[in-house]
Amino acid sequence: GAVVSQHPSWVICKSGTSVKIECRSLDFQATTMFWYRQFPKQSLMLMATSNEGSKATYEQGVEKDKFLINHASLTLSTLTVTSAHPEDSSFYICSARDTGIRSNYGYTFGSGTRLTVV
Amino acid sequence: GQNIDQPTEMTATEGAIVQINCTYQTSGFNGLFWYQQHAGEAPTFLSYNVLDGLEEKGRFSSFLSRSKGYSYLLLKELQMKDSASYLCAVGAGNNRKLIWGLGTSLAVNP
Repeated sequence: GAVVSQHPSWVICKSGTSVKIECRSLDFQATTMFWYRQFPKQSLMLMATSNEGSKATYEQGVEKDKFLINHASLTLSTLTVTSAHPEDSSFYICSARDTGIRSNYGYTFGSGTRLTVV
Repeated sequence: GQNIDQPTEMTATEGAIVQINCTYQTSGFNGLFWYQQHAGEAPTFLSYNVLDGLEEKGRFSSFLSRSKGYSYLLLKELQMKDSASYLCAVGAGNNRKLIWGLGTSLAVNP
């Protein structure tokens, strides 16, 4: 089945530095990828929708200059958290859509990245 | 506006049956999803309903009534490993994004 590889699984960084998270679709082409953030004991919060070859669409309240999304190819999307601060510590999850699958929208999730900013 | 409601927490006994309800009000409807999420892990897909009725898949079944804006996830023969958060999500809009409920934390006790 469709597989999405997300790296790194966890990262600890110092306040003020930037962190890049990668999301790759391994056996299908993903024209659309979704980036989520999840705080402890809360549901998934959609941050942005990433479309290959075009600018990402950010949800209300998400700073596009702080959370840079690049979707340069049909198999790779990256999220860069710039000038990270402790309040950015969260679980970040990507999801890609395999348009070749007709049922369940073809959503496949990455394994998530636990970001801790100290 | 977009709104999805599900209970915050539920408790059940190993071997029993539990039903987790979800009601939704969304602008547009492209199907309803149930996901399971264990702590610290990404969600895993359980079921997808786009037509009214019951979809059965092993120990898990999902029901949808579009006219009532209502769905439930039925878990049979509960096992300890079923302790997790269960997320209801609705597909809405042309960009196929999902609107998520806050999740139901299910605790299965021996």
